[in-house]
Amino acid sequence: EDKVVQSPLSLVVHEGDTVTLNCSYEVTNFRSLLWYKQEKKAPTFLFMLTSSGIEKKSGRLSSILDKKELFSILNITATQTGDSAVYLCAVKWYSGGSNYKLTFGKGTLLTVNP
Amino acid sequence: SQTIHQWPATLVQPVGSPLSLECTVEGTSNPNLYWYRQAAGRGLQLLFYSVGIGQISSEVPQNLSASRPQDRQFILSSKKLLLSDSGFYLCAWSPSGTGEYYEQYFGPGTRLTVT
Repeated sequence: EDKVVQSPLSLVVHEGDTVTLNCSYEVTNFRSLLWYKQEKKAPTFLFMLTSSGIEKKSGRLSSILDKKELFSILNITATQTGDSAVYLCAVKWYSGGSNYKLTFGKGTLLTVNP
Repeated sequence: SQTIHQWPATLVQPVGSPLSLECTVEGTSNPNLYWYRQAAGRGLQLLFYSVGIGQISSEVPQNLSASRPQDRQFILSSKKLLLSDSGFYLCAWSPSGTGEYYEQYFGPGTRLTVT
């Protein structure tokens, strides 16, 4: 059975701290790994990673994929209260024909206290 | 630009009542469409996906059904709700034919409470 496991499930930090969120996976026909940020409602897209060892960066957020060890990390530096959210990891896999599906982890709840 | 709408935003329904949730996408044609459910403490679970009008694939056996009567409209239904149907329902879309290279874009969701 395909699995996507995120850790930790929850994390409380102070503003200015750096955090690392983890995502490991066991998925057949892997194509890419995606990170989303979910505040109150819709998940919003952060990164899509397809190649090992190439860091993707957006402001204080960065992410990298290791396709040999089957994991990804999401780093947030100099955290702010606005970073408080659930961070979701999803793996895109080929399901046949022209179809691709996402399997999600349970998410990491990040709370940043002032 | 593309936008995705869902309604209603919240819904409280008694057990045994019917359900209809609607999702529409604007600004694109022939999108792939998805229904997910997010239960408390769990990740997003794919319920249905559709690659075209009238083409629905079900991912898990359940009390729900989906239909796609128009190109950019996706409906989630139930004839009789169960308590276990409570959750946050998210609709998503991705461009057709290029699914490998695009993320899925999510709607604002419907929070359903079955009492």
